[in-house]
Amino acid sequence: DSGVTQTPKHLITATGQRVTLRCSPRSGDLSVYWYQQSLDQGLQFLIQYYNGEERAKGNILERFSAQQFPDLHSELNLSSLELGDSALYFCASSSRGNTIYFGEGSWLTVV
Amino acid sequence: QQQVKQSPQSLIVQKGGISIINCAYENTAFDYFPWYQQFPGKGPALLIAIRPDVSEKKEGRFTISFNKSAKQFSLHIMDSQPGDSATYFCAALFGNEKLTFGTGTRLTIIP
Repeated sequence: DSGVTQTPKHLITATGQRVTLRCSPRSGDLSVYWYQQSLDQGLQFLIQYYNGEERAKGNILERFSAQQFPDLHSELNLSSLELGDSALYFCASSSRGNTIYFGEGSWLTVV
Repeated sequence: QQQVKQSPQSLIVQKGGISIINCAYENTAFDYFPWYQQFPGKGPALLIAIRPDVSEKKEGRFTISFNKSAKQFSLHIMDSQPGDSATYFCAALFGNEKLTFGTGTRLTIIP
């Protein structure tokens, strides 16, 4: 158990809909990262937050947004969903200068 | 731009053999090189990591070899076991920035 908690574990939704994925980082970790992993694909970095502020942005679509709250949990919002958004979405967290730990992921299926 | 190149894409090794996965990086500012192991449907888990001030790090059956001048590093799995069958990702990190992942290697250990 990495200590990073993601909910929901599985989610099925229709095209055009909006979903929110939630992440609770490890206790004390200030950085939260979101990654997307499509079937048989690598890990694509989406966005990073550090102590509530956006730190780095990767290949995140404009339809997607994220935020980190004062209690350090983070949410990834995916809107106007398309079939191609079906993927495993990972949250990860780290302390400054330390290892990055991943959650178990949220499986999103868009039908 | 792929900053971390990983090979091979897939690898089949007999039980008891040595599995070798290679990675090359471009950004000389990277100062932390972890390897992650991922089983199907699970999040990546940190396996072993190295910093560029050492040329080798060993933890049990897993060894990282690091060649700073060539900007290459590799993972060696000694006495490979069926339970090692998984996807392995190399990664590189600078400071507290995002992890840059390689494309992954699907390792299969056959009896």
